[in-house]
Amino acid sequence: GAGVSQSPSNKVTEKGKDVELRCDPISGHTALYWYRQSLGQGLEFLIYFQGNSAPDKSGLPSDRFSAERTGGSVSTLTIQRTQQEDSAVYLCASSPYRAEETQYFGPGTRLLVL
Amino acid sequence: KQEVTQIPAALSVPEGENLVLNCSFTDSAIYNLQWFRQDPGKGLTSLLLIQSSQREQTSGRLNASLDKSSGRSTLYIAASQPGDSATYLCAVLNYGGATNKLIFGTGTLLAVQP
Repeated sequence: GAGVSQSPSNKVTEKGKDVELRCDPISGHTALYWYRQSLGQGLEFLIYFQGNSAPDKSGLPSDRFSAERTGGSVSTLTIQRTQQEDSAVYLCASSPYRAEETQYFGPGTRLLVL
Repeated sequence: KQEVTQIPAALSVPEGENLVLNCSFTDSAIYNLQWFRQDPGKGLTSLLLIQSSQREQTSGRLNASLDKSSGRSTLYIAASQPGDSATYLCAVLNYGGATNKLIFGTGTLLAVQP
């Protein structure tokens, strides 16, 4: 079946603009995660959604970052007033139910803030 | 705070060699440990997942071991092939609480020379 998909695959924006990144998880997966992979920083957790529960936002680096998940499926990560340090690959993953299960990753969105 | 370290950061071997990648973590209270593969410009592919109660997992030419008490895991790749060239990441899931985030190491960049 289809895997996790993300769009756009690449995004170039100017400093100060807002961007939206989209993630379509595997159908039926109730858990959804966003991670960020920065050069020299490795992969870091941003936010976790599980069903209708309140999301775990503990990894969001600032209040310029927000995410929502509509209808328990598609998720959008929004970065407001982008800064150059926001340049990174943003990865989305989903798992069937719990975080203890294997997480399946999408190809990522490469964001470059000029 | 959990910290995950991978050694070496980069490795180059001739085709056919057996090799070992190392992963260490500072907090042994983990739920599981996963090894991922990342190809350039692509997302992560899960290779092996070891639950905290397990000692090892095998898949084809790959064998991953886990020694929770010493905070170590190894990924053994037998008879390496050029197609194994990629970045290998290990990640741990801490046990307990509301945290559901994988903590990643910084990866080992593997190059298998034909």
